[in-house]
Formats: sequence, C-alpha cells, structure tokens
Amino acid sequence: QVQLQESGPGLVKPSQTLSLTCTVSGYSVHSDGVYWSWLRQPAGKGLEWIGRFSSSGGTNYSPSLQSRVTISVDASKNQFSLRLTSVTAADTAVYYCARGWYDSGSGNYYPSGEWGRGTLVTVSA
Amino acid sequence: EIVLTQSPATLSLSPGERATLSCRASQSVRSNLGWYQQKPGQAPRLLIYGASTRATGIPASFSGSGSGTEFTLTISSLRSEDFAVYYCQHYDDWPPTFGQGTKVEIK
Repeated sequence: QVQLQESGPGLVKPSQTLSLTCTVSGYSVHSDGVYWSWLRQPAGKGLEWIGRFSSSGGTNYSPSLQSRVTISVDASKNQFSLRLTSVTAADTAVYYCARGWYDSGSGNYYPSGEWGRGTLVTVSA
Repeated sequence: EIVLTQSPATLSLSPGERATLSCRASQSVRSNLGWYQQKPGQAPRLLIYGASTRATGIPASFSGSGSGTEFTLTISSLRSEDFAVYYCQHYDDWPPTFGQGTKVEIK
C-alpha cells in the first residue's frame, strides 16, 4: 500500500525559498501509469494545484506559479520535491503531496486517490 | 482556466436525510470530474471519479451523476461520519481546478 509523507521547514521567511520533500513508500516514483503532485490549501480555504509529473507525461506547473516553482525527483530515495521561490505571506498553506493514475492512452490524469497528511508552511519574518 | 462553482455553500441536514450537492463548470469537462470529502485536519479523500464511478472502498450511499457542465453528488442517507466539506475537481485539461466546496453540517 502506497504511503506519502511530506517533510520540510514549517517556517520560511518572506522572499526566501520554500523546499519540501515527499517520501514515497510502497510504490516507485518512476512507475508508469501514475503521476505525482503537489497541492496546497490555505487555512479555511480551498485546494490549489501547484504541479505534477509522471514518467510518461512530463511535468506541468500551475500557470499562476510556474515562474517560481520546480518539482524534481530523486529516484534513488524514492522521493520528489517542491521548490517555490520568492515566497510571500500568500504562500502560507498546508502543502500536500499526492498520487493519481495516469492513462497515457486517453491522456487522462485521474483525481488523486492517495495523499500525504500534509505539512503546514508559514511564511513570516 | 475552467471555473467550478459549487452550490450550496452550506447544507444543513439531519442524519438519515438525503444530501444533494451541485457542481457547475464554466465550460464542458465531459465526464472528467471527481468529488472529494475533507474533514478538519485531514487530507481530502477521493469519493468519485469519471463523474459517477466510486473510488475503492467508497460506500454505495455516495453516488455521482452528470456530464458536460452540470454535476451532482448525492449522499442517500447521511451518517454522522459524512458531515464534512465536499469538493468537486475537474481533470479535463491543465490546470485541474477545484470548486470552492460545500460544507455539509448537522442541523
């Protein structure tokens, strides 16, 4: 059974870089037919996609964040990471990593069925 | 970017009652729509994908319907554990977007 766990600093200063890691157990991040995502949720608000990647579908970033975000993979550690630069208070949120199924035939990225518990990142001086 | 509008914002019902939640898309998403349940302090839980297919382990009391721009999530008989916030999410193109949520609360 796949498990995902987010980790990283809970406090980041404005203008600095937010870096988080998602450690995956029970499934390879390089497996076909799946994609891996980062999402976030400010307190009391809705969910927002940050970006996703899959072995066969490449990487996509949110248009509103793409100038500041990078998602990378470390296959040797079965981890993937999020890097968000030049953060402001508006980036304060619970950050989730998640896994979903990708059908290369239809091009469908099905909704994520497995999520980490989330990690709160606060941007404050 | 496709905008999803959920209604109502809050639904106040009693256990045993039927809940009907709506999600409207700003343009057609075909059947590429899912529903999530989220409880306080927890990650979202996938309920429905493909507009009407229940995810693994989801009870039959949850059902989804619709296509194009109009979708519905129905909970046939509310149990105490069903009181939560529900989000719809399309995956017809990038970026996938979420609705703002419907809170189902105990009346």
